[in-house]
Amino acid sequence: AQKVTQAQTEISVVEKEDVTLDCVYETRDTTYYLFWYKQPPSGELVFLIRRNSFDEQNEISGRYSWNFQKSTSSFNFTITASQVVDSAVYFCALGGGSNYKLTFGKGTLLTVNP
Amino acid sequence: EPEVTQTPSHQVTQMGQEVILRCVPISNHLYFYWYRQILGQKVEFLVSFYNNEISEKSEIFDDQFSVERPDGSNFTLKIRSTKLEDSAMYFCASNRQGVYQETQYFGPGTRLLVL
Repeated sequence: AQKVTQAQTEISVVEKEDVTLDCVYETRDTTYYLFWYKQPPSGELVFLIRRNSFDEQNEISGRYSWNFQKSTSSFNFTITASQVVDSAVYFCALGGGSNYKLTFGKGTLLTVNP
Repeated sequence: EPEVTQTPSHQVTQMGQEVILRCVPISNHLYFYWYRQILGQKVEFLVSFYNNEISEKSEIFDDQFSVERPDGSNFTLKIRSTKLEDSAMYFCASNRQGVYQETQYFGPGTRLLVL
C-alpha cells in the first residue's frame, strides 16, 4: 500500500522568510513518481512538480526548490523568500506501480503574513 | 493552455437526490479520473476511466456512484442517491497516458453540498 505523510498541518511565516514543507512517503514499488500540488483559497489544484524515483537530483524553479532523498523516503519542498501569494494548502502525492491513481498526503496549510 | 473544466462550480441538493457532475477533460487526453476532497481533508481517489471502462476504483466508489463518457468531450460522475457524507469538493482530472509519469491535470472542482 502507498502512503504519504505530511506531518506539518499548518505553518505560519512572515513574508520573506524561507519555509520548508515536509513529505515522507511509503511504497513497495521500485518505480514511482512524486508530486506537489498547490491548492489556493479558490480551491483548484495546481500542479507544481513531478519527480521520478530514479532521479534524485534536486530541482529549483524560481523561489521553489525540491529535495528528494530516497534514503529517507522524503520529498521536501522549500519556498525561498515567501510571499503572501504563496498562502495555500500544499499537497504531496505519490503514484506508482500498476495503479493509475495518486495517493495524496493530508496537506500543509501555509500562511504567509505580510 | 488547455484546461480541464467542470460544471457546475457549486451544487446544493437534498439528501436522496441524484446529482450529475460534469467534466470536460483536455481534448487529447485519454485517461480520466475523479477525486473527492471532504472539507479540510485530503484529496482521495475515486475512479479512473479509460476506453469507456473503469480502470480502477476505490472502496469509496460504491454502487451509488457511476461514471460515463456520454460523448466525445464530457466525462460525468453520477451519484444516484446522495447522502450527507457525499458533501465534498469533487475534482476531475485527465492525462494522455494512464501512467503516473504523465501528470494528471485537475479541473477547478465542483463543490457539492448535500442537505
